[in-house]
Amino acid sequence: TQLLKQSPQFLSIQEGENLTVYCNSSSVFSSLQWYRQEPGEGPVLLVTVVTGGEVKKLKRLTFQFGDARKDSSLHITAAQPGDTGLYLCAGARGNTGKLIFGQGTTLQVKP
Amino acid sequence: DAGVIQSPRHEVTEMGQEVTLRCKPISGHDYLFWYRQTMMRGLELLIYFNNNVPIDDSGMPEDRFSAKMPNASFSTLKIQPSEPRDSAVYFCASSSRGFGETQYFGPGTRLLVL
Repeated sequence: TQLLKQSPQFLSIQEGENLTVYCNSSSVFSSLQWYRQEPGEGPVLLVTVVTGGEVKKLKRLTFQFGDARKDSSLHITAAQPGDTGLYLCAGARGNTGKLIFGQGTTLQVKP
Repeated sequence: DAGVIQSPRHEVTEMGQEVTLRCKPISGHDYLFWYRQTMMRGLELLIYFNNNVPIDDSGMPEDRFSAKMPNASFSTLKIQPSEPRDSAVYFCASSSRGFGETQYFGPGTRLLVL
């Protein structure tokens, strides 16, 4: 059973285009994190959203947590080749905040 | 700080052999996590430690898997005997205060069991 579903799984776009990645679940999470992973490396945390409806911006990246804290989105404006990588969302559940990861979205930005 | 250190970076072994993966967390971090990443199942938490004590090993797939943390600066994940379906990238991560704080991941060990 996949608790967190990411879409799309793969995305190939040209430099300068905008894109949105979605992370959906039927479960409620206490917080949600987004990571970026490059080939041969471990995931690196980009942002944590905690409050339903919260929006956080990190330069050209905009993260939103759904009002019901069941879903999230990552929007990238004017994508650059350096944005290429695997984007993972992870929801925190339970008293410990144990993380459940989505399958990931592989993004390729072509120059 | 050097970050989380894992060794080896790559391991190729034959089915039935014992495999030991090693991790050195960031100094001062009290939490250590072992994850496994595959194309089919994504990134899964196997086990995590707090102050060298295993807290939750519910993600360990089978008795063939075991993990230890003899001190604050070293942990091992052992697979004995290994099977082809264990092929994956194994990550170690550490944090200062558990899941609520940023987890810093190591570069991973890419394991191939033939």
